[in-house]
Amino acid sequence: DGGITQSPKYLFRKEGQNVTLSCEQNLNHDAMYWYRQDPGQGLRLIYYSQIVNDFQKGDIAEGYSVSREKKESFPLTVTSAQKNPTAFYLCASSIDRSTLNQPQHFGDGTRLSIL
Amino acid sequence: SQQGEEDPQALSIQEGENATMNCSYKTSINNLQWYRQNSGRGLVHLILIRSNEREKHSGRLRVTLDTSKKSSSLLITASRAADTASYFCATDAGWSTGFQKLVFGTGTRLLVSP
Repeated sequence: DGGITQSPKYLFRKEGQNVTLSCEQNLNHDAMYWYRQDPGQGLRLIYYSQIVNDFQKGDIAEGYSVSREKKESFPLTVTSAQKNPTAFYLCASSIDRSTLNQPQHFGDGTRLSIL
Repeated sequence: SQQGEEDPQALSIQEGENATMNCSYKTSINNLQWYRQNSGRGLVHLILIRSNEREKHSGRLRVTLDTSKKSSSLLITASRAADTASYFCATDAGWSTGFQKLVFGTGTRLLVSP
């Protein structure tokens, strides 16, 4: 079955530590996205990538970094500069930027907490 | 800021009853999408309605869109305990933003009791 796999499911970060969240998809989608979800709130866009070796900042990119070296993979690094990283992180993908009216497909998320 | 606002924030009903959730948004859209999120899981796409459509059905789901009022509603008929989840609307302003950008509302938490 095609889908998006996020790992790990739970992650703990110590002060001053960078942590990387994995996102892999086998849907052959060009576009990939990272969202942050806080309790009782909707999703906010952190970064997005429309094609390999290209990515753009979303609405809340400060303290985060990404890479897109392969079509299937879009890892997110939460750096020590992100002072409030505790949240549920969701990765998503969609077909490509040239196709209108398409849904996004989501992974099952990574819950990040501070030790 | 989030464009979509769902109403109510929480809804509790009995199995077999209908559940209606509403979504309001602020700017012109290309389409509006509804997603479901079970506790601790990712979002699952339910239905997409384009800006030139007024109503759409999918199984027990019925979605309406009123672009003049900038609002949409999601109706779940004959609800089941398995429908217990949070429901989010997401608006897509299309390529005016340069890419497909979905703006999510804050969600409606639905509890369906047996």
